[in-house]
Amino acid sequence: EIVLTQSPGTLSLSPGERATLSCRASQSVSSNYLAWYQQKPGQAPRLLIYGASSRATGIPDRFSGSGSGTDFTLTISRLEPEDFAVYYCQQYGRSPPLTFGGGTKVEIK
Amino acid sequence: QVQLVESGGGVVQPGRSLRLSCAASGFTFITYGMHWVRQAPGKGLEWVAVISYDGTNKYYADSVKGRFTISRDNSKKTLYLEMNSLRGEDTAVYYCAKDRYGAAAGNGFFHHWGQGTLVTVSS
Repeated sequence: EIVLTQSPGTLSLSPGERATLSCRASQSVSSNYLAWYQQKPGQAPRLLIYGASSRATGIPDRFSGSGSGTDFTLTISRLEPEDFAVYYCQQYGRSPPLTFGGGTKVEIK
Repeated sequence: QVQLVESGGGVVQPGRSLRLSCAASGFTFITYGMHWVRQAPGKGLEWVAVISYDGTNKYYADSVKGRFTISRDNSKKTLYLEMNSLRGEDTAVYYCAKDRYGAAAGNGFFHHWGQGTLVTVSS
């Protein structure tokens, strides 16, 4: 099973600032099959990024994903008020189990 | 647009059973793999199970293997999760999620999500 470790646990930033979220895998993720999700309180998660760097339909271009192998990054170039949420990474590079990271909370400073 | 509506959650005693349903609309159901993902109160996301587009292949998390069964009825565009021998640690919001692809090998990501149904296991 691939274990995903997200850091930091909490990121305190102001609107307009840049957010950089990390996701590290315990072993290489095949074909960079890594996705990112955003979850707001009381809501279901929403797909942001798949294949490490492809934006899902309707996702603003201030969200970008990068990385390969074991190290992946989600960057939000300029935080909007609606971006304060919890973000999860998920790997799907091998047959199940599919695994998630523990999440990074982006909060208003 | 894609809609996934879960139902069947509630309060159940430890050791009892419960069946969740997920009604799908807005897409060609038979083409896509489907997953269940859960989230315990105040915790992160945990993948539970996946079923391939045609129902042939099924995979489970170790935490539910042997107790939960995923199935689908493509004629009714409905996904199911039969949960037996429920434990306190199964308490969570259960989400159904549509894969981007057919999920024949079980690996995929969660393209669309339902709003979830809460299962509480308590005496």
